[in-house]
Amino acid sequence: QKEVEQNSGPLSVPEGAIASLNCTYSDRGSQSFFWYRQYSGKSPELIMSIYSNGDKEDGRFTAQLNKASQYVSLLIRDSQPSDSATYLCASYDNNNDMRFGAGTRLTVKP
Amino acid sequence: SAVISQKPSRDICQRGTSLTIQCQVDSQVTMMFWYRQQPGQSLTLIATANQGSEATYESGFVIDKFPISRPNLTFSTLTVSNMSPEDSSIYLCSVTRNTEAFFGQGTRLTVV
Repeated sequence: QKEVEQNSGPLSVPEGAIASLNCTYSDRGSQSFFWYRQYSGKSPELIMSIYSNGDKEDGRFTAQLNKASQYVSLLIRDSQPSDSATYLCASYDNNNDMRFGAGTRLTVKP
Repeated sequence: SAVISQKPSRDICQRGTSLTIQCQVDSQVTMMFWYRQQPGQSLTLIATANQGSEATYESGFVIDKFPISRPNLTFSTLTVSNMSPEDSSIYLCSVTRNTEAFFGQGTRLTVV
């Protein structure tokens, strides 16, 4: 069974802090990795994609990928209350299979 | 990105009835995906719909319960048949473009 696993949380951080979200995957054939943000009652929206080992930064968001450890993370710097949402980790493999984790619920407290 | 129009956005249905959900994509795509998301849960893939062939269903989902149509490269429907309260969920259609997944707005279904 190909799995993407996340800590379901909830994760609570104060405003301005760094939020760290973690994800592991079991399928070594996975090539692409994504972080989606889902506000309550809304559909997921893509916020970051990462394809190679290392860090990828986009504004306040940094995605980190370690294929040897099968580990993906998302850091949110200077967290804002508007970042409060569920964050879904996803992997995409060569068989066109997209797998989603259960999501981590993040709350940023003012 | 991809623009996906999904409707209805929500519905309340009587048990035993069926509901058809529609998804229209702004450009041609090979595969469309249908997901279910139960409250507080992540996305569960129901099936993959390819144009011109039968949909491929994931374990636990069958065609009689969730028939899918894919008449062309921009449109698909998912029907939830003979509904029960356990079918109450959000249903999402999705497409991938350059390996990135994009979602419709979702259909919130309540079965009473």
